[in-house]
Amino acid sequence: EAQVTQNPRYLITVTGKKLTVTCSQNMNHEYMSWYRQDPGLGLRQIYYSMNVEVTDKGDVPEGYKVSRKEKRNFPLILESPSPNQTSLYFCASSLSNGGRHEQYFGPGTRLTVT
Amino acid sequence: LAKTTQPISMDSYEGQEVNITCSHNNIATNDYITWYQQFPSQGPRFIIQGYKTKVTNEVASLFIPADRKSSTLSLPRVSLSDTAVYYCLVGEANNAGNMLTFGGGTRLMVKP
Repeated sequence: EAQVTQNPRYLITVTGKKLTVTCSQNMNHEYMSWYRQDPGLGLRQIYYSMNVEVTDKGDVPEGYKVSRKEKRNFPLILESPSPNQTSLYFCASSLSNGGRHEQYFGPGTRLTVT
Repeated sequence: LAKTTQPISMDSYEGQEVNITCSHNNIATNDYITWYQQFPSQGPRFIIQGYKTKVTNEVASLFIPADRKSSTLSLPRVSLSDTAVYYCLVGEANNAGNMLTFGGGTRLMVKP
C-alpha cells in the first residue's frame, strides 16, 4: 500500500530535549516536505526536499533541521524544542514537484513541549 | 510566492452544490492550483488540480477564470461526510525551488 508513515504519532517532551520525528514514504517520490498545523494558521511549510541531499527552507524553518540521506526518509529534527513548537506536524511526499503533483500526507505527529 | 485567501467557513445542507472560492491575485505563470480536503486528526487529502479553465473528476470540479486570479472548487450534491476543511494551494511549478503556502482553509459544515 502506498503510504507516508510518521513516528511517533504522539510525543510529549520537555524544553531543550532533542527529538527526531521520522518520516518515510514507499512511493519512490522525489519531493518530501514537512508542515506544521496550528489553530487559525492553517498549514505552514517548514522544510522541503526536492531530492536526496537537496533541502530548502519553507515558511517557518526556525528551530528545525532536516536531512535527506535516502530517498524514502526525511526526518525532522528539533535540536532544542521550545513550547512554541507545540503543534501538529505532517510529512508529505509527491512525485517530483509539490506544487505540480499530488502530495500524499502522513497521519500526523502531535507534539507537546512543556 | 502566491498567497491565497479563502472564506473561513461555510454551511450547507445535504444534496446541495457547494462552491468554495479561493483568491490568489499574484499567481505566477507556472503555478498550478490544487485543492485538498482534511478531516479532523488526519492529513490532508488531494481532491483536484488545475491550471486554467475547468477540470472535473469523480468528486469535484475546479473552475479557473482566464485571469487565474481566483479559482472555485465545486462539490456537487454534498453529504454529511463532506464536512471537512478545504485548502487551496497555489504552487510554483518550476524545479528550481518549491516552497509552498497553503491558505487558511475553509471549514465546510454540511447539515442534514
